[in-house]
Amino acid sequence: GAGVSQSPRYKVAKRGQDVALRCDPISGHVSLFWYQQALGQGPEFLTYFQNEAQLDKSGLPSDRFFAERPEGSVSTLKIQRTQQEDSAVYLCASSLVREFASYEQYFGPGTRLTVT
Amino acid sequence: KQEVTQIPAALSVPEGENLVLNCSFTDSAIYNLQWFRQDPGKGLTSLLLIQSSQREQTSGRLNASLDKSSGRSTLYIAASQPGDSATYLCAVRPGPHAGGTSYGKLTFGQGTILTVHP
Repeated sequence: GAGVSQSPRYKVAKRGQDVALRCDPISGHVSLFWYQQALGQGPEFLTYFQNEAQLDKSGLPSDRFFAERPEGSVSTLKIQRTQQEDSAVYLCASSLVREFASYEQYFGPGTRLTVT
Repeated sequence: KQEVTQIPAALSVPEGENLVLNCSFTDSAIYNLQWFRQDPGKGLTSLLLIQSSQREQTSGRLNASLDKSSGRSTLYIAASQPGDSATYLCAVRPGPHAGGTSYGKLTFGQGTILTVHP
């Protein structure tokens, strides 16, 4: 079946512009995660949704970052007034179960954001 | 705060060699540990997931071990091939003590860049 998809795959923004990154999780997956991966580093957690509820946003680096998942499926990560330090790959992952049980997170291909 | 470290940062080996990638973590109270592969410009592909109660997992030429008490995991790749060239990441998931809603998020190491040359 279809995996996690993300769009756009590449985005170039001028400093100060707003951007919106989209994630389509695997159908039926309850949990959705956003991660930020800087060049040469491992991904770092940004935020977590269970259905439409944003249960953890402790990893969002500033109030310029905002995420939503209004219908519990597609999610959008929005970055306002982009800065050069926002340049990174933004990864989305989804998983099936919400209980504290064994599960895997399935990752999308990521959106590479470059802020010039 | 959980910290995950991977050694070496980069590794270049000739085809056919057996190799070991290392991962260490500071908080041993984890729920599981996962090894991923990342190809350039691509997302993450899960290779092996080890529950905290397990000692190792095997898949084909890959074997991952876990020593939770000492905060260490190794990924063993047998008979390496050029197609194994990629970045390998380990990630840990916090245990129940994390409480609240943090249990799902993964903490990653910075990765090991593996190059297998013919």
